[in-house]
Amino acid sequence: DAGVIQSPRHEVTEMGQEVTLRCKPISGHDYLFWYRQTMMRGLELLIYFNNNVPIDDSGMPEDRFSAKMPNASFSTLKIQPSEPRDSAVYFCASSWGGRNEQFFGPGTRLTVL
Amino acid sequence: AQTVTQSQPEMSVQEAETVTLSCTYDTSESNYYLFWYKQPPSRQMILVIRQEAYKQQNATENRFSVNFQKAAKSFSLKISDSQLGDTAMYFCAFMELKTKLTFGGGTRLMVKP
Repeated sequence: DAGVIQSPRHEVTEMGQEVTLRCKPISGHDYLFWYRQTMMRGLELLIYFNNNVPIDDSGMPEDRFSAKMPNASFSTLKIQPSEPRDSAVYFCASSWGGRNEQFFGPGTRLTVL
Repeated sequence: AQTVTQSQPEMSVQEAETVTLSCTYDTSESNYYLFWYKQPPSRQMILVIRQEAYKQQNATENRFSVNFQKAAKSFSLKISDSQLGDTAMYFCAFMELKTKLTFGGGTRLMVKP
């Protein structure tokens, strides 16, 4: 099994630009999670989906952030416009059933200049 | 809201010795799950061990074991026969029945040769 796949692994962009992060969960998993990791705030859950439907987006910091899951094998996290304070590592994770182990992708390191 | 506290920002241990990482949490739930994740320099999040709150028996996985004290809301991780590859950040995490993972701030463990 390929595991959770995220792209790109690194992204450097300028303030004001649109950024799109991508995630392919493990086949057969019905939950998908987006996390953000920063030195100041640690690991935070941004949003999660069950069967492609957003269940809880209370962690999304503001309207500049949006996430979609058009099908069971693909999700995006979009930031528009990006700001320097969005610089972080963004993780995607998936699980089968909400109470089971969450498998994490390798993360995307985002730098907004 | 649930909180997870790791009071040891950094620890070190000699190779082959034993080390214990501390974690406390706060919740009003009676049924929940606890996890320890390892994050090596590659930044990949790797599940080390998992404990269901309804189980009295402490979980073990090879050299890793936990001391789960439900009344005290304590969940420590013991690493026996420490190896250089155990050098990493370790995160304690709490999962309520609603699927959301809440992470502690992490403990940086250095295994010295």
